[in-house]
Amino acid sequence: EAGVAQSPRYKIIEKRQSVAFWCNPISGHATLYWYQQILGQGPKLLIQFQNNGVVDDSQLPKDRFSAERLKGVDSTLKIQPAKLEDSAVYLCASSRRGLPSLNTEAFFGQGTRLTVV
Amino acid sequence: RKEVEQDPGPFNVPEGATVAFNCTYSNSASQSFFWYRQDCRKEPKLLMSVYSSGNEDGRFTAQLNRASQYISLLIRDSKLSDSATYLCVVTGGGSQGNLIFGKGTKLSVKP
Repeated sequence: EAGVAQSPRYKIIEKRQSVAFWCNPISGHATLYWYQQILGQGPKLLIQFQNNGVVDDSQLPKDRFSAERLKGVDSTLKIQPAKLEDSAVYLCASSRRGLPSLNTEAFFGQGTRLTVV
Repeated sequence: RKEVEQDPGPFNVPEGATVAFNCTYSNSASQSFFWYRQDCRKEPKLLMSVYSSGNEDGRFTAQLNRASQYISLLIRDSKLSDSATYLCVVTGGGSQGNLIFGKGTKLSVKP
């Protein structure tokens, strides 16, 4: 089974520029998550999709961050404009169904490491 | 109070030692609990789920105390390869519960 694919692996941009990240979840996984992980901290949920609908985006800074999952498969996360504090690893994860249960594992991609200078 | 709290460590232990990590969570409606492992500059991976009655997987034992909102992970006979950050994870408690991560506890096993 192919894992969660993310690209790019690394990105360096200047503040106020725009950036986009792409994620292709495991085939058949209905739920897709985007997490932000700042160095030394645990992953923080930005947005959760169930198929192509948003389930939770309460922690997404909507003035600068946007995400979509138009066909319920792959997803993009965009930052516009970027700030220095956006420097982090952006992790995409997917799971088979909506409610994480003891038998539904969330699989993570390798992440995109963003540096804003 | 943070949603999921862990001692950040680091825990520096010799090979063969037994080490325990603790975690507390604030949302009494949380229903599912996990320990994830994250190696340096890698993505988190599921180590084990935590069942109400406690569960064991080889050298790893997880315990849950719902009344105290407390989760633990015990590692026996530590190996060098156990060196990693251990993330306590709980679900948010909503109908589409998301995964809420603690900051992680760093473990370093020395020869």
